[in-house]
Amino acid sequence: DAKTTQPPSMDCAEGRAANLPCNHSTISGNEYVYWYRQIHSQGPQYIIHGLKNNETNEMASLIITEDRKSSTLILPHATLRDTAVYYCIVRVWGGGNTNAGKSTFGDGTTLTVKP
Amino acid sequence: DTGVSQNPRHKITKRGQNVTFRCDPISEHNRLYWYRQTLGQGPEFLTYFQNEAQLEKSRLLSDRFSAERPKGSFSTLEIQRTEQGDSAMYLCASSAGSGAYEQYFGPGTRLTVT
Repeated sequence: DAKTTQPPSMDCAEGRAANLPCNHSTISGNEYVYWYRQIHSQGPQYIIHGLKNNETNEMASLIITEDRKSSTLILPHATLRDTAVYYCIVRVWGGGNTNAGKSTFGDGTTLTVKP
Repeated sequence: DTGVSQNPRHKITKRGQNVTFRCDPISEHNRLYWYRQTLGQGPEFLTYFQNEAQLEKSRLLSDRFSAERPKGSFSTLEIQRTEQGDSAMYLCASSAGSGAYEQYFGPGTRLTVT
């Protein structure tokens, strides 16, 4: 699985958009970009994933550059409860690949939302 | 609650003892994963199952570690002769199968080896 690079920490004002970058310059054509977050002492929580098109769900938006070498997770209106460690990972789509599915986590970005 | 559950949530044991953790995945999820997480680090992959078959094991999984998923439902992770370096959060996740299916994580089991 491709390695990802994220800034170790970021701050965001409550109510403002939080934009979390991720670099995955060695991503392969069959690898998806996934975002998870982990609130202190809990298991990681799935947020969103995408292949090459931008994606949006009720939690966040994912913007993937055209060359797929980087992406940005956007929390449109950050709240104090969004304070967490955010992980960007890339992994192979399964299909018939029995080795697909495991996630290789880096150290993530600690997002602190401030009042 | 139909999420992934793990038991126990906390375990304190003395060095040299054996411990066993249990993970109950989301019903109908045929893939189950084990990860280990130490303080300040992201989760590290240990092993995963598709149904009852253990398809991959990390080099992190020494011969003191064994995982089973006998009927393709719940899974157990056993650590024999625990060492202080085994102290960590052990996370379980499940997914619906191959493809771009997201993994759903349990709350983890916090192991402290004294």
